[in-house]
Amino acid sequence: EAGVTQSPTHLIKTRGQQATLRCSPISGHTSVYWYQQALGLGLQFLLWYDEGEERNRGNFPPRFSGRQFPNYSSELNVNALELEDSALYLCASSPTGGSNQPQHFGDGTRLSIL
Amino acid sequence: GDSVTQMEGPVTLSEEAFLTINCTYTATGYPSLFWYVQYPGEGLQLLLKATKADDKGSNKGFEATYRKETTSFHLEKGSVQVSDSAVYFCALLYTGTASKLTFGTGTRLQVTL
Repeated sequence: EAGVTQSPTHLIKTRGQQATLRCSPISGHTSVYWYQQALGLGLQFLLWYDEGEERNRGNFPPRFSGRQFPNYSSELNVNALELEDSALYLCASSPTGGSNQPQHFGDGTRLSIL
Repeated sequence: GDSVTQMEGPVTLSEEAFLTINCTYTATGYPSLFWYVQYPGEGLQLLLKATKADDKGSNKGFEATYRKETTSFHLEKGSVQVSDSAVYFCALLYTGTASKLTFGTGTRLQVTL
């Protein structure tokens, strides 16, 4: 069974630009989650999508947004990039949301802002 | 709010030593508890889980027991190997509309020969 896949592996942008990160969940999983792992800040929840809808959002500004497509893959968009957005962005999936089933993670996209 | 506290690292052990990584949590309800492991340059891998009080999760020689009375979920392994060197994260998850993992800060384990 293929795991969660994320692309690109690395992304380099400059301040003010926009970044798009992509995630494909494990086959059969309908829920997708995004987390930010920044140096010194640990792992922080960003967004949860289930069945194409945004279900929950972490404490991040509106320039962090995303969507989930009919095939359950997901995109995270970050507008007006700032230096502090440099981080590893992890995507996870689970069979359904709202349950105690574990979330399974991809290897992440490392976003560097110059 | 909910939070997870892990012991500070790094933890340095010799191969075959006994490992304990402490994890305590603050929560208003009854979350599920997880341990994840992150190897260099990789994402998180689920190590083990427990969904209710007194449950014991185990995998690859690692164990942790959900202790409601002490709000703890300590990770243990009887004999560590060099290949266990990684960062270990304790996390809690509520079901329902929240459905987000709350993580501890992570504990780096270094195992030497």
